[in-house]
Amino acid sequence: SQQGEEDPQALSIQEGENATMNCSYKTSINNLQWYRQNSGRGLVHLILIRSNEREKHSGRLRVTLDTSKKSSSLLITASRAADTASYFCATDEDNNDMRFGAGTRLTVKP
Amino acid sequence: DGGITQSPKYLFRKEGQNVTLSCEQNLNHDAMYWYRQDPGQGLRLIYYSQIVNDFQKGDIAEGYSVSREKKESFPLTVTSAQKNPTAFYLCASSIGIRSALYFGPGTRLTVT
Repeated sequence: SQQGEEDPQALSIQEGENATMNCSYKTSINNLQWYRQNSGRGLVHLILIRSNEREKHSGRLRVTLDTSKKSSSLLITASRAADTASYFCATDEDNNDMRFGAGTRLTVKP
Repeated sequence: DGGITQSPKYLFRKEGQNVTLSCEQNLNHDAMYWYRQDPGQGLRLIYYSQIVNDFQKGDIAEGYSVSREKKESFPLTVTSAQKNPTAFYLCASSIGIRSALYFGPGTRLTVT
């Protein structure tokens, strides 16, 4: 079963704008991870946030986690055409191994 | 140059044939995984292994088999029992369960 549902399914923005993607889950987690996938390639790990953390940053990426709402968001600031990719969240709900959502397909127009 | 490799990149097989996908890592990771990805969808877990000579079924293990005889290697066999084998297969490894996953480039399998 897939766990972690991303929203929106697709997002199209202009270069320079910020992109926000959301991930929701149903039960409890130890950690939540965000990944990026360019078309036809493997996934690349972006950020891991633990259940006792509320926010993490990595370069132009900012991830927040709200365990009371069972949701996380990934913000990409000052987007570039090279950020065009699919973004996935993965959760370890109920102490399972990492399970992935269906992803958000981001298109950044130059 | 550390990493995780999968071969081949593209694989074509006739229906009814078993096929084995290779996955090798030199990251000294204990855990390894196989995921399946269908067009426009997320990843579904097929099998995972936390340690040599041990592996567990994921969510869609039917029609697949694995082995973990060496820490570096985790081959996946797609058997003729798998009803819809055409998909993109991704192998990953991690230091431990629920740690960050490092993915290989994937193998696209087409069965006709």
